[in-house]
Amino acid sequence: QKEVEQNSGPLSVPEGAIASLNCTYSDRGSQSFFWYRQYSGKSPELIMFIYSNGDKEDGRFTAQLNKASQYVSLLIRDSQPSDSATYLCAVNRAGGGNKLTFGTGTQLKVEL
Amino acid sequence: DAGVIQSPRHEVTEMGQEVTLRCKPISGHDYLFWYRQTMMRGLELLIYFNNNVPIDDSGMPEDRFSAKMPNASFSTLKIQPSEPRDSAVYFCASSPGGGIAFFGQGTRLTVV
Repeated sequence: QKEVEQNSGPLSVPEGAIASLNCTYSDRGSQSFFWYRQYSGKSPELIMFIYSNGDKEDGRFTAQLNKASQYVSLLIRDSQPSDSATYLCAVNRAGGGNKLTFGTGTQLKVEL
Repeated sequence: DAGVIQSPRHEVTEMGQEVTLRCKPISGHDYLFWYRQTMMRGLELLIYFNNNVPIDDSGMPEDRFSAKMPNASFSTLKIQPSEPRDSAVYFCASSPGGGIAFFGQGTRLTVV
């Protein structure tokens, strides 16, 4: 079992719709959770992080965490073509010394 | 700050040659990471440093790979001898802690 699992996609959504990206993790000791966005040919950039169960909103982005189910999600409201990218989920284990373990990413395509 | 700076951006080398990748982290960041990204395996952590000291090198694939951080503003990743299966994009990232990482633009390595 991979430590961090994501559906590779592509996930296609129409412009203006809500995109829902999901991630599961295997280590119950994971403490903090991150979403990175990576455009084709570019480097990953941090867009959201969440530490506590529940929802965290930042503009059009909402991160959701359910530690009991070992599940993290990212919702993108009013999706735009510029949101088309690969979204990487990453987790940091308590006592893991700032070490991030990444999933393989979900490719999102927002269609006009 | 210019962000994390990596050089070279592209490297093409022949099998058996030595390859050295360079990284300048963001000033003040205590952590430095070296990642490798391929289509098949995604983003893999090779090694990371805290205050210039290697903390976890369990991701280094084999003895052909070595990394150094002689001071807070410079790190190198060396592959000697290089092999075609080492072809990938190599990212350096720095972090102030808390799992938040800032990535360089990457070095695309091709070993022929």
